[in-house]
Amino acid sequence: NAGVTQTPKFRVLKTGQSMTLLCAQDMNHEYMYWYRQDPGMGLRLIHYSVGEGTTAKGEVPDGYNVSRLKKQNFLLGLESAAPSQTSVYFCASSSARQARGEQYFGPGTRLTVT
Amino acid sequence: SQQGEEDPQALSIQEGENATMNCSYKTSINNLQWYRQNSGRGLVHLILIRSNEREKHSGRLRVTLDTSKKSSSLLITASRAADTASYFCATDSWGKLQFGAGTQVVVTP
Repeated sequence: NAGVTQTPKFRVLKTGQSMTLLCAQDMNHEYMYWYRQDPGMGLRLIHYSVGEGTTAKGEVPDGYNVSRLKKQNFLLGLESAAPSQTSVYFCASSSARQARGEQYFGPGTRLTVT
Repeated sequence: SQQGEEDPQALSIQEGENATMNCSYKTSINNLQWYRQNSGRGLVHLILIRSNEREKHSGRLRVTLDTSKKSSSLLITASRAADTASYFCATDSWGKLQFGAGTQVVVTP
């Protein structure tokens, strides 16, 4: 099992450019999440999904969009990148059978917007 | 806004010593979880304690929860250099986790 994987690992964007971050999990988890982590801060939830075809806003959703077309994939899009979106992005998944249980995290994507 | 706040922000100890870090939170919770993050890596789940539990053990980890004080503590006994990492508490209120800013622990040989 690969667990949770994220692509790419690193990316540099110019202000105004767009990109999509891909998260994939092979644990058949129902729930998936996107977080961002900034220096000196904990993770903040951007968007999440409780099942294929469903998404919901988290704590800091502005400037991001998501899609969950397949159960195993969760995509995070930046339509027009801004320097404030420079951050490390983590994807996570969890099982509905443990709806309030542990989350499994990917290795992260380090994004720099210049 | 962050639900949990860890204390201290940083902790430096020698191998074999115990490390204790605390987490305070603001609203009622279903459970509280602790995660570890090694430098440049993703978070790894360590332990979960439910709101009706007061203490839980897992190997060298001991977690306590005091819901009346809205606080939790994580104790790592007999620390090792490999325990060097950042430790985060996360509270679950409605199926979503809210993380604190973390405690950075450095264990020197």
